[in-house]
Amino acid sequence: DGGITQSPKYLFRKEGQNVTLSCEQNLNHDAMYWYRQDPGQGLRLIYYSQIVNDFQKGDIAEGYSVSREKKESFPLTVTSAQKNPTAFYLCASSIGTGSNTGELFFGEGSRLTVL
Amino acid sequence: AQKITQTQPGMFVQEKEAVTLDCTYDTSDQSYGLFWYKQPSSGEMIFLIYQGSYDEQNATEGRYSLNFQKARKSANLVISASQLGDSAMYFCAMREVYMEYGNKLVFGAGTILRVKS
Repeated sequence: DGGITQSPKYLFRKEGQNVTLSCEQNLNHDAMYWYRQDPGQGLRLIYYSQIVNDFQKGDIAEGYSVSREKKESFPLTVTSAQKNPTAFYLCASSIGTGSNTGELFFGEGSRLTVL
Repeated sequence: AQKITQTQPGMFVQEKEAVTLDCTYDTSDQSYGLFWYKQPSSGEMIFLIYQGSYDEQNATEGRYSLNFQKARKSANLVISASQLGDSAMYFCAMREVYMEYGNKLVFGAGTILRVKS
């Protein structure tokens, strides 16, 4: 089945450690996104990538880094510079041209807790 | 910047009844898209329905319909014949920027819906 796979689903880390969240899609979508979800605040865009080897900052990119070396993969690193990293992280993808609506398809999320 | 407002933090509805979840938006663009997503307790985001700003008819998808009032900048989701499985968080979202590949969405804060038996 086609879809988006995020791993790990739950992650615990000590303060000051970098962590990398994996996101893989087999939908052949061009664009991929990372959103952060905090209680009562909805989803906020961290980074997005329209094509391989290209990505742009979203609204809350500080303390995060990404790479897009392959079309299928868009890993997110939460660095020690992120002041409040405990959150639920959602990866998404969307088809490039050819979609009438352009909706995003989401993974099941990764919950990061920093102790 | 575009903005989505969902004023109802939580809603209750009796099973088999209809419920309306409110969403208002703010944009200066003439061309935009509006989305509704459902997020069950498992965390995944499920796309429900889409309305384009130039669509003359309100969008419908099964038990979901979108009450689009362009002049009032509202895009309320109507769920008919509520089921227990409809209990979830619901997000309204707007396409913020048209890109050559993909779309940036801005999301509201969400409304938690609880269906009572």
